[in-house]
Amino acid sequence: AQTVTQSQPEMSVQEAETVTLSCTYDTSESDYYLFWYKQPPSRQMILVIRQEAYKQQNATENRFSVNFQKAAKSFSLKISDSQLGDAAMYFCAYRSAPGSARQLTFGSGTQLTVLP
Amino acid sequence: EAQVTQNPRYLITVTGKKLTVTCSQNMNHEYMSWYRQDPGLGLRQIYYSMNVEVTDKGDVPEGYKVSRKEKRNFPLILESPSPNQTSLYFCASSSGERVKPQHFGDGTRLSIL
Repeated sequence: AQTVTQSQPEMSVQEAETVTLSCTYDTSESDYYLFWYKQPPSRQMILVIRQEAYKQQNATENRFSVNFQKAAKSFSLKISDSQLGDAAMYFCAYRSAPGSARQLTFGSGTQLTVLP
Repeated sequence: EAQVTQNPRYLITVTGKKLTVTCSQNMNHEYMSWYRQDPGLGLRQIYYSMNVEVTDKGDVPEGYKVSRKEKRNFPLILESPSPNQTSLYFCASSSGERVKPQHFGDGTRLSIL
């Protein structure tokens, strides 16, 4: 079974600065997907960014980018120019390739505080 | 608008009183799942369904039941709720296509006294 580990329960960053949230995972599969979800106080689950394992290029979405290291099974999220609205719980998630019966496996989350 | 709708959003009830949390999606998705979220544990999958009449256990299925009689609906049933089932519950759906993300409902906060 796959496992996802987020070793930082809490992080803080100064507004306009950059922060990196770490995520590692364990799998024996070669084809899979990785996601970062944001959960603000409204508790909605909002997709931030996604990465396909077969793509070597790191995904980028505006101020959000990932550092995907497949061999090391690492998938960190970098938030540049942090804004107050980025304050939330962030979850890393793993999903097997299509055809698999399983859905997402989540990490335990990192609570990000943005300091004005 | 594409959405996953859960009801109720909040529920306080007592031990042993059967309850159902409904989930409906309007995207014709094959895959649907239920998760529970607890502090320090992230989201854990309870049950999932790959299509109508096809369901299977996730990581924490004990004390829960599901059914998938129609493609759009995937209710979560607690036959005899207990306090350890107090949690935040999410329903999600996806098409199963490559890299398509899951769509989540807004969550249901259950408190079992």
